[in-house]
Amino acid sequence: GAVVSQHPSRVICKSGTSVKIECRSLDFQATTMFWYRQFPKKSLMLMATSNEGSKATYEQGVEKDKFLINHASLTLSTLTVTSAHPEDSSFYICSAGPQYEQYFGPGTRLTVT
Amino acid sequence: SQKIEQNSEALNIQEGKTATLTCNYTNYSPAYLQWYRQDPGRGPVFLLLIRENEKEKRKERLKVTFDTTLKQSLFHITASQPADSATYLCALGSPTGSYQLTFGKGTKLSVIP
Repeated sequence: GAVVSQHPSRVICKSGTSVKIECRSLDFQATTMFWYRQFPKKSLMLMATSNEGSKATYEQGVEKDKFLINHASLTLSTLTVTSAHPEDSSFYICSAGPQYEQYFGPGTRLTVT
Repeated sequence: SQKIEQNSEALNIQEGKTATLTCNYTNYSPAYLQWYRQDPGRGPVFLLLIRENEKEKRKERLKVTFDTTLKQSLFHITASQPADSATYLCALGSPTGSYQLTFGKGTKLSVIP
């Protein structure tokens, strides 16, 4: 199947700093990528749809100024958590797919101290 | 609003038996439905996709059924093995046919040797 990579896998940052997470489709082009957040023992919560060459579409309740998404190429989307706070600590996962089935990155564990 | 329910948070089953997981939904008409496997600390892995006009799909020891009248999907793992132990997620595709998915909370399956 298709491969999606995500970097970094783990990051610890201080409160008030910004963190960038990269999501890459390695063997296919993705005009659309999705960013999710997952709390322990909870389901995946869609945060936003990343669209290549245009603005991301954010789900209700997700602050677009806090979670900046850039989809500058057909294989790369980035999520930047700005001015991170401890409540932003979570597991962030991206997905993309050449068709309807989605291939997920391995996830990024963000811890804000 | 749309709602997805996976019948149980956890399911224990004896090795060799068939595991059956249920996904019910309301206020939704998905164009397709997917099942994913997620291991702790990892991103979900795509297993099967079934479209609204399909009743059943098989892949090796996996079988998925989709009843749009009952608004229900059943996911079966035959001859279950301890390696099948994981959380299984049901995901509904958009009625418009876009790639966006809405996930259930998942069922944690434990296969006991």
